Amino acid sequence: DAKTTQPPSMDCAEGRAANLPCNHSTISGNEYVYWYRQIHSQGPQYIIHGLKNNETNEMASLIITEDRKSSTLILPHATLRDTAVYYCIVRVTDFNAGNNRKLIWGLGTSLAVNP
Amino acid sequence: NAGVTQTPKFQVLKTGQSMTLQCAQDMNHEYMSWYRQDPGMGLRLIHYSVGAGITDQGEVPNGYNVSRSTTEDFPLRLLSAAPSQTSVYFCASSYSTLDLKSYNEQFFGPGTRLTVL
Repeated sequence: DAKTTQPPSMDCAEGRAANLPCNHSTISGNEYVYWYRQIHSQGPQYIIHGLKNNETNEMASLIITEDRKSSTLILPHATLRDTAVYYCIVRVTDFNAGNNRKLIWGLGTSLAVNP
Repeated sequence: NAGVTQTPKFQVLKTGQSMTLQCAQDMNHEYMSWYRQDPGMGLRLIHYSVGAGITDQGEVPNGYNVSRSTTEDFPLRLLSAAPSQTSVYFCASSYSTLDLKSYNEQFFGPGTRLTVL
């Protein structure tokens, strides 16, 4: 089962910040939080990831609470091209298979950016 | 670089037929994986590989076989197609390290839309 909870849908006005929440209350100490997005049935696209500290790159910012039980992805100036399904994922490490890693995907948040 | 390519883009099969979904990457990535995506469900991992000659099962491996004879290619074989295998299939690749604390971005292909009648 997925270890994250996200709202099924959100709206955002073009040019405004989009704040997408994610709950991962059962996350363990060495699990990372990752964000991907999927635009109109294309293959998912990596956005950002983090462990404890806030992270920022050219696409977005990731704010992780101090207890690490939730996080927020921020798109600072949303555009129409940001309309997509956004997935918040935690990484599970399968120790039975050495250092192989698996991601568990939930249903994501469908973000609609409106003109 | 072409990135991750998948063929075919669309496929219709009859129950019981077999076929191979092709996946190739030109980024010299060690790690490759196959997912399926169904309406109302997240992506589910079918099989993955951490390098040539090494494969392992994901969450939903039944009915699928994989092999990894080269770094570039990771084909997915449906042995005897069933309507329950109607789905969109995505292949992904990334660099792979043995460092548990590291992560490498996964690059996804455009997907193969498979219908089994």
